[in-house]
Amino acid sequence: KAGVTQTPRYLIKTRGQQVTLSCSPISGHRSVSWYQQTPGQGLQFLFEYFSETQRNKGNFPGRFSGRQFSNSRSEMNVSTLELGDSALYLCASSLGGEIHNEQFFGPGTRLTVL
Amino acid sequence: AQKITQTQPGMFVQEKEAVTLDCTYDTSDPSYGLFWYKQPSSGEMIFLIYQGSYDQQNATEGRYSLNFQKARKSANLVISASQLGDSAMYFCAMRGFNSGGSNYKLTFGKGTLLTVNP
Repeated sequence: KAGVTQTPRYLIKTRGQQVTLSCSPISGHRSVSWYQQTPGQGLQFLFEYFSETQRNKGNFPGRFSGRQFSNSRSEMNVSTLELGDSALYLCASSLGGEIHNEQFFGPGTRLTVL
Repeated sequence: AQKITQTQPGMFVQEKEAVTLDCTYDTSDPSYGLFWYKQPSSGEMIFLIYQGSYDQQNATEGRYSLNFQKARKSANLVISASQLGDSAMYFCAMRGFNSGGSNYKLTFGKGTLLTVNP
């Protein structure tokens, strides 16, 4: 079974631009979560989608948004990029919302904002 | 609110020896799950082991075992017979359910960088 895939793997943008990252979950998984990882703040939860509905959202400004499609693929968008948005963005998929459902992570998209 | 504390920024261990990575947590959720992930330098997070708050026995997965002490709110990861490939960042994480419903996110600790020496 194929794992979680994320595209692109690397991205370089300049301040003020916007960016869209894509995530394809493991086949059969309906939950997709996004995390931001930086050296200073560690791993922080962005949002989680299940069956095209956002179920939970972290403490990030409105510049960060996401969506999920009917095939469970998800995208996240960051508008008006800031230098502090440089990070590794990780997508994770799981079967659903049960406690024991482990989240399987993709390789991440490394975003650099210049 | 949930909080995960990993007090060891870095750990060193000799190849073939066992090592314990510490994790303490804080939550008011009546039920919760604890996870350990490994992150090599490549960046991908690899799931290692899961422990449910109501599980009677400590979880084990191959060379990984979890020393779960609920009263002390600790969930330490034990790696037996360390291998060079175990060198990586290790994260403890938690997911809980409160009376209002599910809490779908994972809350992560800051991580422990494990280095295995030959």
